[in-house]
This record gives sequence, C-alpha cells and structure tokens, in this order.
Amino acid sequence: DQQVKQNSPSLSVQEGRISILNCDYTNSMFDYFLWYKKYPAEGPTFLISISSIKDKNEDGRFTVFLNKSAKHLSLHIVPSQPGDSAVYFCAAIKGTYKYIFGTGTRLKVLA
Amino acid sequence: DTGVSQNPRHKITKRGQNVTFRCDPISEHNRLYWYRQTLGQGPEFLTYFQNEAQLEKSRLLSDRFSAERPKGSFSTLEIQRTEQGDSAMYLCASSLARQGQDTQYFGPGTRLTVL
Repeated sequence: DQQVKQNSPSLSVQEGRISILNCDYTNSMFDYFLWYKKYPAEGPTFLISISSIKDKNEDGRFTVFLNKSAKHLSLHIVPSQPGDSAVYFCAAIKGTYKYIFGTGTRLKVLA
Repeated sequence: DTGVSQNPRHKITKRGQNVTFRCDPISEHNRLYWYRQTLGQGPEFLTYFQNEAQLEKSRLLSDRFSAERPKGSFSTLEIQRTEQGDSAMYLCASSLARQGQDTQYFGPGTRLTVL
C-alpha cells in the first residue's frame, strides 16, 4: 500500500528552466510534507517542507505547493542548475516522527 | 563536520553472518531513526528512539534485527544470521524534538551486501 507516490521516475530539464517534481498521497491525515534531495553515495538532504495548513512555501529557488483537495504536492525549482541533478524524494508525516517516502524522481539538469 | 555519521559505509558479508552498524547523531539531537532503502524505493522506516528508549519498531524489523541506543547518544543496528534479502542501504537520521514538526537529518548510510 503505497501511501506516497511519485509517478515519474525521471525528468530532464534544460539549465535555467523550471523543474517541476510531483508527488501524490492517499492519506488525508498527513499533517506535514517534506522534500529531500539525494546524491549518489550520500544520505538524503532536507530541502523544504510544508505544513498541511498551508498551500505554498518558498525558499530561494525552491517552492513547494500543496493541493489538499487533490492530495497532491509539487516542488518547483527555478532556475534549474546542473548541481540540482539528483534523486528527489517527497515524504509525508502523520504525528511527529514516522516519515513515509515516495519512490523518488531522478532529475537531470542539462547544461 | 557536525552531521550524522555512520560506520562502516560499506559492508560485504556472507549469508548467515552477523553484522553491526553504528550511527552517531548530531550531538544535541534526542531522536534517532533507522531506515532501510532498497533499489528503486524510498527509505522505509525501521525503528525510532527518543533518548535511549526505543519507542516504535516497524513490522519490517524481524526478530533477527535489534537496535540499541544505550546512553541516548550513538546507536547500533545488528542483523543476525543475515539473508540475501537484507542487502540494502541502511540509513540513520536524527532530529531535535520540539513543539511542532522536527526535521530529520540523514547520515550517508551503510550499504550492506549479503552474498
């Protein structure tokens, strides 16, 4: 039972353009969502988060949008840079500690 | 470097052997988590400590797995009688409990290969 889904395993974007990574979830009780970035041979690195009571959170080039009615969140990266090439995981949490991760989307930013 | 550290980074073992991994969390963090990640999947929650108390264990954690955090600082994850299905990346994370949401910070992981 995959409660958090990332349906696009990979995405390629030209440098300077917008990258949009998507995530769908099934449990309306999730109260917090996060995005992590993972480079090969490293652990996931926290990027940005959003509370379920908000619909947008922005941090520099990264913006996360939450659509609760559609049970959908997205991460926008503008402008995309080659160093953004990595695997991106969305995660959801109900309560205070147990993250449920999606399967990840591999982003490749082309120079 | 004050991040989460894990040792060893890689471990190759033969089926049936026991292995132990260590995690050193960020020093002021009181919560510690273990996750397992297999190819093509996201990290899956295994267990969680608040200080030295183990508060939850996933159904993924069979009787062959045991985790400890004896003094509320570093943690160890032991797998007894390893099986080929145990091959995975084992990730440790830590966080500082506070009002509202606390963010988990991950270590680099220990990659286990069971032959």
